[in-house]
Amino acid sequence: DTGVSQDPRHKITKRGQNVTFRCDPISEHNRLYWYRQTLGQGPEFLTYFQNEAQLEKSRLLSDRFSAERPKGSFSTLEIQRTEQGDSAMYLCASSLVGESSGNTIYFGEGSWLTVV
Amino acid sequence: KQEVTQIPAALSVPEGENLVLNCSFTDSAIYNLQWFRQDPGKGLTSLLLIQSSQREQTSGRLNASLDKSSGRSTLYIAASQPGDSATYLCAVWMDSSYKLIFGSGTRLLVRP
Repeated sequence: DTGVSQDPRHKITKRGQNVTFRCDPISEHNRLYWYRQTLGQGPEFLTYFQNEAQLEKSRLLSDRFSAERPKGSFSTLEIQRTEQGDSAMYLCASSLVGESSGNTIYFGEGSWLTVV
Repeated sequence: KQEVTQIPAALSVPEGENLVLNCSFTDSAIYNLQWFRQDPGKGLTSLLLIQSSQREQTSGRLNASLDKSSGRSTLYIAASQPGDSATYLCAVWMDSSYKLIFGSGTRLLVRP
């Protein structure tokens, strides 16, 4: 078990381009979360999946943001028509939700996005 | 709306000092509370998880306490070391909720 993996770690893109980030959660975890973190702030929840079902997406920042988890394993977060305000670190996390799991959550190293 | 506040925002101490980081939350109906560490440019590492029925958790030199009724948690670090330098984040899970609500963190510098 290598923990939560995110790719790419860093992405620089021009305004207006589309970007996609990938997250591979811990293998037995059934929940996967996406958060966004800007400098000097704590992470902000965006969306989450239980297996392949996206159970909450109202926190996605706009309709330019979308996330998928097609087979209940890895997930992608896509940002279309990027804007400078999208520059942030995008964190993925996973957890095993069950009677005795305690909801401990494990974060990846994050994907830094810079929009120029 | 739940709000999580961490005080101080930044702290600088000499090596060997014991220190306390504070976290407060406005809605006491939390499911659990978690403390994380974040190194610059890195992801978050979970330090301690306190379920709502618990009062404290300990791991090595770290001790976290929870007082739900007053909406407070503290993270105590004993005998601080330069390697403890990082940002420490407090986060709460709400009842019947699935997302963590984070404070803005305390940036700790332990000077050799």
